[in-house]
Amino acid sequence: KAGVTQTPRYLIKTRGQQVTLSCSPISGHRSVSWYQQTPGQGLQFLFEYFSETQRNKGNFPGRFSGRQFSNSRSEMNVSTLELGDSALYLCASRPRTSGMTDTQYFGPGTRLTVL
Amino acid sequence: DQQVKQNSPSLSVQEGRISILNCDYTNSMFDYFLWYKKYPAEGPTFLISISSIKDKNEDGRFTVFLNKSAKHLSLHIVPSQPGDSAVYFCAASKTGANNLFFGTGTRLTVIP
Repeated sequence: KAGVTQTPRYLIKTRGQQVTLSCSPISGHRSVSWYQQTPGQGLQFLFEYFSETQRNKGNFPGRFSGRQFSNSRSEMNVSTLELGDSALYLCASRPRTSGMTDTQYFGPGTRLTVL
Repeated sequence: DQQVKQNSPSLSVQEGRISILNCDYTNSMFDYFLWYKKYPAEGPTFLISISSIKDKNEDGRFTVFLNKSAKHLSLHIVPSQPGDSAVYFCAASKTGANNLFFGTGTRLTVIP
């Protein structure tokens, strides 16, 4: 079974631009979560989608948004990029959304650099 | 506000010895805890978990201990192997929640 895939793997943008990142979950997994990893903050939860609906949202500004398609693939968008948005963005999938006892499977991440 | 803390950014251990990674949390509502391992250029991979109804869970060379009164958990790796060299993240969740709260990670280096 193929793992979680994320595209692109690396991205360089300039301040003020917007960016869209893509995540394809493991086949059969319907829950997709996004995390931001920075050196000082570790992994911080952005949002979770299940059956095309956002189920949970972390403490991030409205510039961060996402969506999920009927095939469970997900995208996240960051508008008006700031230097502090430079980070590794990780996507994780799991079969369902009820509680966290299901193991999350992470993709390799997209490294975003904002200049 | 960092609800899950890993106060040691790095740890070096000789091959064959025990590695002990520590994690503290502040939210008493957390009732499920996990450890993830991360290699460079890869996403975190699940290692071991523990529910708050237990104080110990073991899986091969890996054991997680939970001290609820101290809001502290630790991961023991015995014996440590060079392939264990990675960044280890502690994570916590609470019943009904659909997200994990992660620590900032500890980089373990196992010296051959």
